[in-house]
Amino acid sequence: KAGVTQTPRYLIKTRGQQVTLSCSPISGHRSVSWYQQTPGQGLQFLFEYFSETQRNKGNFPGRFSGRQFSNSRSEMNVSTLELGDSALYLCASSLSGTGNSPLHFGNGTRLTVT
Amino acid sequence: KNQVEQSPQSLIILEGKNCTLQCNYTVSPFSNLRWYKQDTGRGPVSLTIMTFSENTKSNGRYTATLDADTKQSSLHITASQLSDSASYICVWGGSQGNLIFGKGTKLSVKP
Repeated sequence: KAGVTQTPRYLIKTRGQQVTLSCSPISGHRSVSWYQQTPGQGLQFLFEYFSETQRNKGNFPGRFSGRQFSNSRSEMNVSTLELGDSALYLCASSLSGTGNSPLHFGNGTRLTVT
Repeated sequence: KNQVEQSPQSLIILEGKNCTLQCNYTVSPFSNLRWYKQDTGRGPVSLTIMTFSENTKSNGRYTATLDADTKQSSLHITASQLSDSASYICVWGGSQGNLIFGKGTKLSVKP
């Protein structure tokens, strides 16, 4: 079974631009959740989508948004990029959500904002 | 103050030795406590998930324990291998599906 696939692996953007990251979950998984990982803050939960609906949301500004398609693939968008948005962005898929199911993570997209 | 605190921040041990990593949490209500292993440049991999009714769970050479009364968990690694070198992340799971991550313990296993 193929794992969670994130594209692209690396991105370099300029402050003020916007960016879209993509995540393809494990086949059959209906939940996709997104995380930001930085050396200072560690891993932080952004949001979770389940069957195309946002089910949970972390404490991030509205510049961070996401969506999920009918095939469970998900995209995350960050608008008006700031230098502090430089991070590793991880997505994870699971069968039933972030509640009690194991999360299966992709290898992330490394975003650098200059 | 962090809601999920892990100690130590980093640890160096010799191959073949055992070690124990600690996780203390302050948040409630509690649904589950998880441990993940993250190799450099890769996403985390699930090791164990424990609900409040479980006080120990094993996955090969990894054994996690949970004391919900004292809000403490530990991850014990037996007979360490070079491939155990990684960051180990403790994750608190709330009843609403929200997750709070510790900042991890970086383990280095030396030959």
